[in-house]
Amino acid sequence: EAQVTQNPRYLITVTGKKLTVTCSQNMNHEYMSWYRQDPGLGLRQIYYSMNVEVTDKGDVPEGYKVSRKEKRNFPLILESPSPNQTSLYFCASSIDRGAVYEQYFGPGTRLTVT
Amino acid sequence: QKEVEQDPGPLSVPEGAIVSLNCTYSNSAFQYFMWYRQYSRKGPELLMYTYSSGNKEDGRFTAQVDKSSKYISLFIRDSQPSDSATYLCASFFISNFGNEKLTFGTGTRLTIIP
Repeated sequence: EAQVTQNPRYLITVTGKKLTVTCSQNMNHEYMSWYRQDPGLGLRQIYYSMNVEVTDKGDVPEGYKVSRKEKRNFPLILESPSPNQTSLYFCASSIDRGAVYEQYFGPGTRLTVT
Repeated sequence: QKEVEQDPGPLSVPEGAIVSLNCTYSNSAFQYFMWYRQYSRKGPELLMYTYSSGNKEDGRFTAQVDKSSKYISLFIRDSQPSDSATYLCASFFISNFGNEKLTFGTGTRLTIIP
C-alpha cells in the first residue's frame, strides 16, 4: 500500500530536550516536505527536500532541522524544543517538485512541549 | 492579507443537502487549485485538483475555479454523514525559473447531520 508513515504519532516532551520525528514514504517520491498545522493558521511548510541531500527552508523553518540521506526518509529534528513548537506536524511527499499539487500526507504527529 | 482565504466555519447541513465550500486567493500566478479532506486525527487527503479555470467533477464532488474573480469552490451533492470533515483548499504555481509556491487555506469544518 502506497503510504507516508510518521513516528511517533504522539509525543510529550520538555523544553530543550532534543527530539526527532521520522518520516518515510514507499512511493519512490523525490519531493518531501514537513508542515505544521495550528488553529487559525492552517498548514505552513517548515522544510522541503527536492531529492537526496537537497533541502531548503519553507515558510517557518526557525527551530527545526532536516536531513535527506535516503530517498524514502526525511526526519524532522528539533534540537531544543520550545513550547511554541507545540503543534500538529505532517510529513508529505509527491513525485517531484512540479507535482506538489498532488501530495500525499502522513497521519500526523501531535507534539506537546512543556 | 493571506494569499488563500477560507471561511473556517463551522458549517452544519442536513444529510442529502448540497454543500458549497469556498475560498478566495490573491496571487494571480497560482495555476493549480486543490481540495483536501481531513478527518479528525488524520492527515489531509487529496480530493481533487484543477488546473486553471473551469470545473472538474468526481462522483458527488465538483471543484470549480474562476480565475477572473480568484474564487475556488467545492460542491458536494447528496451529502452524507461520512463527508463530515475539515476541507482545505490550496493553490500552487511553479514557474519556468524554478520558483514554486504552495499555500493552504485554514480549512472549513463541515458537519453533515443525519
